[in-house]
Amino acid sequence: SQQGEEDPQALSIQEGENATMNCSYKTSINNLQWYRQNSGRGLVHLILIRSNEREKHSGRLRVTLDTSKKSSSLLITASRAADTASYFCATAPGSARQLTFGSGTQLTVLP
Amino acid sequence: NAGVTQTPKFRVLKTGQSMTLLCAQDMNHEYMYWYRQDPGMGLRLIHYSVGEGTTAKGEVPDGYNVSRLKKQNFLLGLESAAPSQTSVYFCASTGNSAGELFFGEGSRLTVL
Repeated sequence: SQQGEEDPQALSIQEGENATMNCSYKTSINNLQWYRQNSGRGLVHLILIRSNEREKHSGRLRVTLDTSKKSSSLLITASRAADTASYFCATAPGSARQLTFGSGTQLTVLP
Repeated sequence: NAGVTQTPKFRVLKTGQSMTLLCAQDMNHEYMYWYRQDPGMGLRLIHYSVGEGTTAKGEVPDGYNVSRLKKQNFLLGLESAAPSQTSVYFCASTGNSAGELFFGEGSRLTVL
């Protein structure tokens, strides 16, 4: 079974708006990562947040982590049409050597 | 710098045929992974390797075999393909367990 689950499954916004995606997971983690996948391409790593961190920024991306609620959110500010993609969270359980992915959020940014 | 390269990119098989997918990475990574991606199901781990000569089962290993004879290569084999194995297969590697994964561009396999 999948460790992480994203919400919503699909999100459509206008260019310039902010996009927020959420991820919930089940077990304790070492870290949580977010990936992006453009249609027909491989996944690309966006950001990693460790279990002892609560917030992290990278450019227009802001990730939060709440280990007490076992949840994370990815905020993309000032979205662009080029941000249209699927976004996946992936969790690394404490003792495991593998990432487990959620089913993703399909983000569409309308020009 | 090629990163992670998968071959072939596309393949059509008949039920019962066998094939091998090759993943090659040039980053000297210890850890390599094979995932499959199906619509609405995200990525599921098939097999992985934590170093040359090692392999381990992931979430959905049945019907697949793997080998890691060289550090830079991770092969995924289908001995007797079934329509349920129609999917997009992704290889990934990392130099640090639980670290950032680097993905290939995917191999789209159709089993008729």
